[in-house]
Amino acid sequence: GAGVSQTPSNKVTEKGKYVELRCDPISGHTALYWYRQSLGQGPEFLIYFQGTGAADDSGLPNDRFFAVRPEGSVSTLKIQRTERGDSAVYLCASSLEFGSPLHFGNGTRLTVT
Amino acid sequence: AQSVTQLDSHVSVSEGTPVLLRCNYSSSYSPSLFWYVQHPNKGLQLLLKYTSAATLVKGINGFEAEFKKSETSFHLTKPSAHMSDAAEYFCVVSEIQGAQKLVFGQGTRLTINP
Repeated sequence: GAGVSQTPSNKVTEKGKYVELRCDPISGHTALYWYRQSLGQGPEFLIYFQGTGAADDSGLPNDRFFAVRPEGSVSTLKIQRTERGDSAVYLCASSLEFGSPLHFGNGTRLTVT
Repeated sequence: AQSVTQLDSHVSVSEGTPVLLRCNYSSSYSPSLFWYVQHPNKGLQLLLKYTSAATLVKGINGFEAEFKKSETSFHLTKPSAHMSDAAEYFCVVSEIQGAQKLVFGQGTRLTINP
């Protein structure tokens, strides 16, 4: 009965470094979403997967951000050459299928120093 | 593009009194609207969802919201606040009909006074 799991829960990195954030969706959920929540703001959509493919990546802010879901389950959000402005909580959510309710993880708090 | 405006960044009420969290939306079609709650260090939890079946939507923990098309509003209410209701609340619109590409409001922090 596990929910959406995100690791690590906290990540501190230096400006310019590369980071990977992991999301384990609920077993059997075909849709997976990444959102970013900056301090004092509501979450903002980044990317959505249906199965292995990115169905909509229009929310990725620039080409330093990339996400994969190679086997249609676990997803990794990758950020290259991190900047201080990337500091935020990165949220992952999954749903049974397109249009079903989302189940959110607790997020990864990324701090870029 | 769809958007939501939460009219209060912070609401404070006494335990046992009514709660009103205000939300106005902008949408080019009949929207799907949601309220989510976020407790500290917890994931976002769906409170309730409107998808055009009924204008008054009942959610979990005694919350409900009324969709008013003429006012483009979707305010969240609860008759009697409980200490455990203290959290951040987000009004959300779905950008694509039927999809979960959600557009969140800025959030309203609800504080409950004993």
